[in-house]
Amino acid sequence: KQEVTQIPAALSVPEGENLVLNCSFTDSAIYNLQWFRQDPGKGLTSLLLIQSSQREQTSGRLNASLDKSSGRSTLYIAASQPGDSATYLCAVRNNAGNMLTFGGGTRLMVKP
Amino acid sequence: DAMVIQNPRYQVTQFGKPVTLSCSQTLNHNVMYWYQQKSSQAPKLLFHYYDKDFNNEADTPDNFQSRRPNTSFCFLDIRSPGLGDAAMYLCATSRDGGRQTETQYFGPGTRLLVL
Repeated sequence: KQEVTQIPAALSVPEGENLVLNCSFTDSAIYNLQWFRQDPGKGLTSLLLIQSSQREQTSGRLNASLDKSSGRSTLYIAASQPGDSATYLCAVRNNAGNMLTFGGGTRLMVKP
Repeated sequence: DAMVIQNPRYQVTQFGKPVTLSCSQTLNHNVMYWYQQKSSQAPKLLFHYYDKDFNNEADTPDNFQSRRPNTSFCFLDIRSPGLGDAAMYLCATSRDGGRQTETQYFGPGTRLLVL
């Protein structure tokens, strides 16, 4: 059974810092890995999707990497802004079925 | 422009009183999902529909059921809500679930409170 872990659970940084969020998964036979953003009391917004054959994806100030063999992904946020404050969730899709297995999320606070 | 719509956004029910949560989509996607997310926890898949085919997760309680009368709508029925069912319920859709590049589109969620 796939298990996804995110470290740290919470992170507070001053505005302008570059930061890295970590995600690890136990079963490397994944179909893809996604990073989502969730604002308080809201639904999830997909940020980046990495296919199993890819090593990284970039969108603006966000860069996500994937190392399938070691069961790890990182989300790099450059020049953080207060508007980046949210919970970031990593989700893994295994080869079988449509199911996404989510990590517990990292709650990010960027202070002005 | 809303693509996945959930109503209501907040629902209060009494212990044991049946409640129905609604989800609709304008994307014409084949697959619709229901997730339960308790406070500060990861979303957990309850079930999903591929067209009219219902797929229940093994550990989804019998208390939870779903209906999909057409492509656009999907309902989550909680027959006898308990205090432990208080959570955010997220609806999501995807085109067909088969492609590696495919993502899921989430609605804003319905927060359920059980008194």
